[in-house]
Amino acid sequence: AQSVTQLDSQVPVFEEAPVELRCNYSSSVSVYLFWYVQYPNQGLQLLLKYLSGSTLVKGINGFEAEFNKSQTSFHLRKPSVHISDTAEYFCAVSGGYNKLIFGAGTRLAVHP
Amino acid sequence: DTAVSQTPKYLVTQMGNDKSIKCEQNLGHDTMYWYKQDSKKFLKIMFSYNNKELIINETVPNRFSPKSPDKAHLNLHINSLELGDSAVYFCASSQVPGQLNYGYTFGSGTRLTVV
Repeated sequence: AQSVTQLDSQVPVFEEAPVELRCNYSSSVSVYLFWYVQYPNQGLQLLLKYLSGSTLVKGINGFEAEFNKSQTSFHLRKPSVHISDTAEYFCAVSGGYNKLIFGAGTRLAVHP
Repeated sequence: DTAVSQTPKYLVTQMGNDKSIKCEQNLGHDTMYWYKQDSKKFLKIMFSYNNKELIINETVPNRFSPKSPDKAHLNLHINSLELGDSAVYFCASSQVPGQLNYGYTFGSGTRLTVV
């Protein structure tokens, strides 16, 4: 069965600093991987996805993620964060029947 | 035009009551879902329907019953509400099964509070 582990429940960072949010997955089959963002009191919005091909995936708002099959990781990065990036970030892996399995989320708190 | 819309946005009700949450999508997707997000932000799938047919039914109490009158709508009815049902419920949709290429489109959530 597939599973997702987000290694940090909270990541505090100063504005304009780089950030990495870590995600490891477990799966015995080929997977699709996703990062979603949830701003306060809102639904989830797709940031980026890995389906196949290039292991470096670029998404919206300057985020990117790198798929590493040998380490079963899909870490999310941004070279310079803004206050507006403060949100909850969810890593997800595809399961059977079009199901998405989510990690527990990482709270990114950007401080001035 | 909202792609996936849920109503109501907030729902406060007493224990033992029966309530419904409605969801509609205008994306032409064939598959719709209900997810529950608990107080610790953990998201767990509850149900999935493909073109009005139930395809995923996770370990959810029988008090929860989804209904899909057509492929654009997926409603969630909850009987005999309990305190532990308090959560944010998200509706989502995606293209046909096996084509998860685009991920899901989520609604903005319904915050259910049982008192």
